[in-house]
Amino acid sequence: GAGVSQSPSNKVTEKGKDVELRCDPISGHTALYWYRQSLGQGLEFLIYFQGNSAPDKSGLPSDRFSAERTGGSVSTLTIQRTQQEDSAVYLCASSHAGTGGTQYFGPGTRLLVL
Amino acid sequence: AQSVSQHNHHVILSEAASLELGCNYSYGGTVNLFWYVQYPGQHLQLLLKYFSGDPLVKGIKGFEAEFIKSKFSFNLRKPSVQWSDTAEYFCAVNANSGNTPLVFGKGTRLSVIA
Repeated sequence: GAGVSQSPSNKVTEKGKDVELRCDPISGHTALYWYRQSLGQGLEFLIYFQGNSAPDKSGLPSDRFSAERTGGSVSTLTIQRTQQEDSAVYLCASSHAGTGGTQYFGPGTRLLVL
Repeated sequence: AQSVSQHNHHVILSEAASLELGCNYSYGGTVNLFWYVQYPGQHLQLLLKYFSGDPLVKGIKGFEAEFIKSKFSFNLRKPSVQWSDTAEYFCAVNANSGNTPLVFGKGTRLSVIA
C-alpha cells in the first residue's frame, strides 16, 4: 500500500516568513510523529500525535513551531517567523497503535531558510 | 532521559569485509530497539527491530543485530558487505510502553569501496 507522503519535497523561504509542511500518514495508522534531521544534530523528535489524545509537544524547539492533525489523519507542521537555524529536513513517521509499533518514515521536506 | 550512542561516525570498508556498527543506549526501563538505514537520496527504511524474545535479530539484506541487555548494546553486523550497502545507519530506541517517539543515535556513515 501507499507509504507516508510529505509535501512539499523542498521549500526555500526567506527569514521571517511562515511555512507549512504537510504529512499524509499510512492509512489506519493512529500515531503520527514529526522529526527534524539537521547536520550536527542528527534526528530529533519534535511532536507526536496518538489517536485523540493531546499531542506530546515536548520536542518542539520554540513556540514558533506548532502542529495539528485534522481528523486523525493528515498533519501540518507550521513554523512561524522562520530563522536560518530552522533549515533542516523535516521527517514525518506513522505507526499502528499498540506497544512497539514500527514507525514508517516519509521522504521528508527539505527546508532552506535564506 | 533516553540517549543513544553510535561509536563510529564514518566507516570505510572494502567489499566482502565484515561489518560491525556499535550502538549503546541509556534508559532505565524496557525498550524497543531499531536499526534504520538511509541510502543516498532515499528516505529512512527499517533494517531490523527488537521488541522481545531472541536477542539475535535478523533483518533485511543479510543484516543482523544482537541485543545484549547487560551491556545496553544493540550492535549491527553483516558478514560480507556489498557496494550497495553504502548508506547512513541509525540506531534508535523507544520505550516499550505504547507508541512513543524514537530517540536516535547520530548515525554512522558506511562507505563500501570496490
